[in-house]
Amino acid sequence: NAGVTQTPKFQVLKTGQSMTLQCAQDMNHEYMSWYRQDPGMGLRLIHYSVGAGITDQGEVPNGYNVSRSTTEDFPLRLLSAAPSQTSVYFCASTVSGGVAGELFFGEGSRLTVL
Amino acid sequence: AQSVTQPDIHITVSEGASLELRCNYSYGATPYLFWYVQSPGQGLQLLLKYFSGDTLVQGIKGFEAEFKRSQSSFNLRKPSVHWSDAAEYFCAVGAPNNAGNMLTFGGGTRLMVKP
Repeated sequence: NAGVTQTPKFQVLKTGQSMTLQCAQDMNHEYMSWYRQDPGMGLRLIHYSVGAGITDQGEVPNGYNVSRSTTEDFPLRLLSAAPSQTSVYFCASTVSGGVAGELFFGEGSRLTVL
Repeated sequence: AQSVTQPDIHITVSEGASLELRCNYSYGATPYLFWYVQSPGQGLQLLLKYFSGDTLVQGIKGFEAEFKRSQSSFNLRKPSVHWSDAAEYFCAVGAPNNAGNMLTFGGGTRLMVKP
């Protein structure tokens, strides 16, 4: 059982470069989300999706874009990377709607922006 | 807006000793409450959750947590810590019926276990 798969696990970018963090889940979950984890700040929600074709902003959306063309995939795009985006990024998914269900997390993608 | 505070950034306990990790939340009604654990280099795994009913909830790996409405707390406990419990622990709050099941996380408590 793959669960939630994130790629790449590590990435180094230069300021101004663009990249996409990939996230795929094989559990047929409706809900997918992206969090960033920074020391002492826990996880903060960047963007989320309640189903294919539907996305919305979370707490810290600036500098990030998302799309959800299929149920399985939810890529996170950095159009022009900045050092402030150095972080560990987690993708998560869940099946429940209306009642908060368990989030299933990927193993994370560590991004460094120089 | 909901918020979560974990007052202890680091805690060190001896193996076999008891453990309590503190969590305080801010929310206008009864929230959904969660504890997640993150082992080094891994994603987060759910330990336990509280939605309603019995205020003492049991989770995996021998953990339990108690919801205290009067104190706005949801502290995590374990009677006897094992070396494998060394990890970072996150308390989280979710609002009933929120779109996307978004959670608000605390800053985390890193647990170190002394042999």
